[in-house]
Amino acid sequence: SQKIEQNSEALNIQEGKTATLTCNYTNYSPAYLQWYRQDPGRGPVFLLLIRENEKEKRKERLKVTFDTTLKQSLFHITASQPADSATYLCASHTGGFKTIFGAGTRLFVKA
Amino acid sequence: DGGITQSPKYLFRKEGQNVTLSCEQNLNHDAMYWYRQDPGQGLRLIYYSQIVNDFQKGDIAEGYSVSREKKESFPLTVTSAQKNPTAFYLCASSPHLPPSGGNNEQFFGPGTRLTVL
Repeated sequence: SQKIEQNSEALNIQEGKTATLTCNYTNYSPAYLQWYRQDPGRGPVFLLLIRENEKEKRKERLKVTFDTTLKQSLFHITASQPADSATYLCASHTGGFKTIFGAGTRLFVKA
Repeated sequence: DGGITQSPKYLFRKEGQNVTLSCEQNLNHDAMYWYRQDPGQGLRLIYYSQIVNDFQKGDIAEGYSVSREKKESFPLTVTSAQKNPTAFYLCASSPHLPPSGGNNEQFFGPGTRLTVL
């Protein structure tokens, strides 16, 4: 079945460093991948979309890559801040009308 | 102030009871969705609706029911047939069902945490 997998272990980094989160997909070829941010007890908020024909996309301190050979997307936050601490979800359209979501990776940025 | 609202924020249910979770949006979106989120799992789709008076089952529809009588509203009923309803429930909306132009982003409400006593 179509799956999105994200590292279930939390990522702990120091303020100012670059955080890198991984999203792997299996058993399908998504036309695009999305990244959302979710704070505890709240709904996810959309951050970025990258299409299969785009290698890289940037928005302020965020950068997303899409490698169709590795079946992977990487999500980078440069110059990370404690306010970036949250869970980051990867999602994509799987055909039909459905979007599937990964379980998310929790990021902690220490001051 | 456009957005999507859910109520209540916390809900407690006794076994055997049906409960209804509210979801309202004023974004003029056609598509609406209900997801369930459990610890360590991705969001799982319960039901979705493309347009008023139309809705489709998602991956885990058993024990749930919905209605879409108005464009703005998509309430979810958790019935007594749902054996393990304790979870965080998220409602979302988007201009149209995917895939469509733009970012295909979904706008999420703040969620309802349902606990079975």
